[in-house]
Amino acid sequence: ETGVTQSPTHLIKTRGQQVTLRCSSQSGHNTVSWYQQALGQGPQFIFQYYREEENGRGNFPPRFSGLQFPNYSSELNVNALELDDSALYLCASSTRRDSTNEKLFFGSGTQLSVL
Amino acid sequence: AQRVTQPEKLLSVFKGAPVELKCNYSYSGSPELFWYVQYSRQRLQLLLRHISRESIKGFTADLNKGETSFHLKKPFAQEEDSAMYYCALTQGGSEKLVFGKGTKLTVNP
Repeated sequence: ETGVTQSPTHLIKTRGQQVTLRCSSQSGHNTVSWYQQALGQGPQFIFQYYREEENGRGNFPPRFSGLQFPNYSSELNVNALELDDSALYLCASSTRRDSTNEKLFFGSGTQLSVL
Repeated sequence: AQRVTQPEKLLSVFKGAPVELKCNYSYSGSPELFWYVQYSRQRLQLLLRHISRESIKGFTADLNKGETSFHLKKPFAQEEDSAMYYCALTQGGSEKLVFGKGTKLTVNP
């Protein structure tokens, strides 16, 4: 059983650029969630995808967008990067059954630095 | 609004001492509460959830709806318990987990 993998592990971008982060879900999981973790803070929910559709969204602007593919892998896209977007981005996969989320399995994260 | 408060940023105890990591929440409905843990150089992982009423690695947590608390306890701390601990809540069936800021536990020999 493979775990959740994220790429890249580190990324440096400049303000105004666009970035794409990738996540491969754990085998058998049909749901992927993305979280942003700023330094010294807990993870903050960005959005969740289930069956290739957005299934809930946190308090993030539209320049944060995502995709889930038929193989349940996922992308997080951030446009017009701002300095405050510098953070660790975590992907978590789970199985959604009967409108209930089973426990989350987290990846190691992508550390994004915006200069 | 849903909120999770972990009042202690850092907590240091000696091996064998009892440990309690505090978590308070604000939520108007019936939340589901969790503790997640991150050991050094490892990924964030679920430690326990209140609906399971289980003890994992000697840790327990009881949901106190009157005090809106979900404190994590262990009677005898071990050095390997040193880690970052996050309390989190969700509405039953919700896709969104709300995390606290975390408490870094250090267990000294």
